[in-house]
Amino acid sequence: AQSVTQLGSHVSVSEGALVLLRCNYSSSVPPYLFWYVQYPNQGLQLLLKYTTGATLVKGINGFEAEFKKSETSFHLTKPSAHMSDAAEYFCAVSHPSFGNEKLTFGTGTRLTIIP
Amino acid sequence: DTEVTQTPKHLVMGMTNKKSLKCEQHMGHRAMYWYKQKAKKPPELMFVYSYEKLSINESVPSRFSPECPNSSLLNLHLHALQPEDSALYLCASSQVLLDLRPGELFFGEGSRLTVL
Repeated sequence: AQSVTQLGSHVSVSEGALVLLRCNYSSSVPPYLFWYVQYPNQGLQLLLKYTTGATLVKGINGFEAEFKKSETSFHLTKPSAHMSDAAEYFCAVSHPSFGNEKLTFGTGTRLTIIP
Repeated sequence: DTEVTQTPKHLVMGMTNKKSLKCEQHMGHRAMYWYKQKAKKPPELMFVYSYEKLSINESVPSRFSPECPNSSLLNLHLHALQPEDSALYLCASSQVLLDLRPGELFFGEGSRLTVL
């Protein structure tokens, strides 16, 4: 079985401050890990993903995440928050043998940016 | 602009009505999905079609009936729904093969369903 846990259902940061959204995974085999973003009244959009290779992955809009196997974590960061980053962020996990069909989402973290 | 188009964006229906949600993509993807998302919750997988064949049904009640007429279209037929079925219904598509952009699902903006 595989699952992800997102710590903090709601995170608030000031504009220009560091964004850190936490995600821990549970998987019996090396997982594929993803961050998706959902803006209000919209569908989900892939921010970045880790499959194999380099453990620090860069995504769109200045976001990056680091896969740390020893900590079973895949935290999402951005050095400087922008007002347009306000959205819901979902960490997700899948396993190669399950394919794209079995993408399991975390419960989400709502990011609020304080002007 | 999303490359997965869902219609209608909003739907209000009574418990005795029959309605359909529609989804269309022209990216050549051969896997298409229906997800249900309640407010402040993550999307929950309902159905997956792979090469126009139903490959996953996550024990969804029969009042939801999916259909994949061709590789570009995905429908969700609704009948005798309950108020608790009110949610955002998201369609997504992806490559089927794992070595082609694994995990990269393309989502539509969703159809917001209200059952009275």
